[in-house]
Amino acid sequence: RKEVEQDPGPFNVPEGATVAFNCTYSNSASQSFFWYRQDCRKEPKLLMSVYSSGNEDGRFTAQLNRASQYISLLIRDSKLSDSATYLCVPSQDSSYKLIFGSGTRLLVRP
Amino acid sequence: GAVVSQHPSWVICKSGTSVKIECRSLDFQATTMFWYRQFPKQSLMLMATSNEGSKATYEQGVEKDKFLINHASLTLSTLTVTSAHPEDSSFYICSASAPGLPVTGELFFGEGSRLTVL
Repeated sequence: RKEVEQDPGPFNVPEGATVAFNCTYSNSASQSFFWYRQDCRKEPKLLMSVYSSGNEDGRFTAQLNRASQYISLLIRDSKLSDSATYLCVPSQDSSYKLIFGSGTRLLVRP
Repeated sequence: GAVVSQHPSWVICKSGTSVKIECRSLDFQATTMFWYRQFPKQSLMLMATSNEGSKATYEQGVEKDKFLINHASLTLSTLTVTSAHPEDSSFYICSASAPGLPVTGELFFGEGSRLTVL
C-alpha cells in the first residue's frame, strides 16, 4: 500500500462550485497533516495544517479521521485561481521530513 | 515568511556532464535541508536529507555517488548531479527547516530547478 493515496483527478468544475478531495495514509503514527498547493512548474506552498479533527480557513475546510486514516479538503465557491494540484502530506515525525502524495489536480473553468 | 532561494531555475546540459544546483536560506539558518525530485505528473519524491556539517542521508534507491549533496554552511546546500543522463531530467526542489521556525510543517521551498539533459 502506498504511504499516501490521492485521486489524481483532474476535477473539472465551474466557478462557484464546491469540490472535495480525499486522501488516505498508511502510517497510523502520523501526527500532523498538511495540504499543499502546487501550481504548474512551481514549488509547493502550504495551504492548510490539520492537527485535530479538522479546521477551516475561509473557503477551505480540512477534516481528519484518524480511525480511517483519511483526510479531506473541501473548497467552497471555487475561483479560477484555485486551479492547481493539491498535495496531501502526512508528517512522518517531528523532523520536518514530509512525504507527498501524488496530488489531485483541480481545474476551475469560467 | 522565511525565504529559500534556488539557483539555477533551469539548466540544459549535455549527457555526461555534471550540474550543480544551489539552495540558499536567505534570512535564517537552515540546519536541515531536503532535496526532492519531481517527474512530470508525479509526486515530489524525497531524495535526501541534508544536515549542516554532516553527511546527507539518502532515501532508498537514490544513488549517493550520483547525487552529491554538500551542506557546508547553515545557509547553503548544494546538489550535484554527476554524469547526468537524459533520465535525470527532472524538477529538483529544495526545502529548509531550522530550530525556531514555527512547528507547523511549513517547510520553506526553493523555487525549483528544472534540469534537461540532452
